Amino acid sequence: GAVVSQHPSWVICKSGTSVKIECRSLDFQATTMFWYRQFPKQSLMLMATSNEGSKATYEQGVEKDKFLINHASLTLSTLTVTSAHPEDSSFYICSGGLDYGYTFGSGTRLTVV
Amino acid sequence: QKEVEQDPGPLSVPEGAIVSLNCTYSNSAFQYFMWYRQYSRKGPELLMYTYSSGNKEDGRFTAQVDKSSKYISLFIRDSQPSDSATYLCAMSQYGGATNKLIFGTGTLLAVQP
Repeated sequence: GAVVSQHPSWVICKSGTSVKIECRSLDFQATTMFWYRQFPKQSLMLMATSNEGSKATYEQGVEKDKFLINHASLTLSTLTVTSAHPEDSSFYICSGGLDYGYTFGSGTRLTVV
Repeated sequence: QKEVEQDPGPLSVPEGAIVSLNCTYSNSAFQYFMWYRQYSRKGPELLMYTYSSGNKEDGRFTAQVDKSSKYISLFIRDSQPSDSATYLCAMSQYGGATNKLIFGTGTLLAVQP
């Protein structure tokens, strides 16, 4: 149980464009999902907490206007990187779960050129 | 001081060795402790989940929590090359699917055949 599907697994986009990443809970209802960013050889950095039907909660230092999070249903949360720049290139991972631990998506490698 | 400290490694061991991975933490309110395994360019995978102090065993993996010392460990017996990955400890004060986790930086493990 607690399967999280994340798409796309990788994406290359031009600087200035927007990219949407989807995270779906396949076998459970996720009232809360978490979005992380990971740089090479570094740990997970929590960006924001996505709450179904309400606004996301962003961590300090994360630009909410740049990283738009939508959690419109109990099975889908999306992260949109707006006006992407090369410094936004990173590995983005979502997670959600049940009462014990969390399941992570397979991650999305974003490259902005 | 970080809330969770973890030696980044890399840790290199021969196949069949017993591996010990450790994390220390500063917040005595943490009660839920997890270990994740992350292969390169993949999302983390939950290995072990423990509540409060004590030991938990699952196959070749044993998780130990010593709350009095604020110290947690993951032991891997009969290590295999397929165990080569980054191991992340994570913890939280509350259980449930709406509480964010605090991660260690991860330890890179290489098991040599």
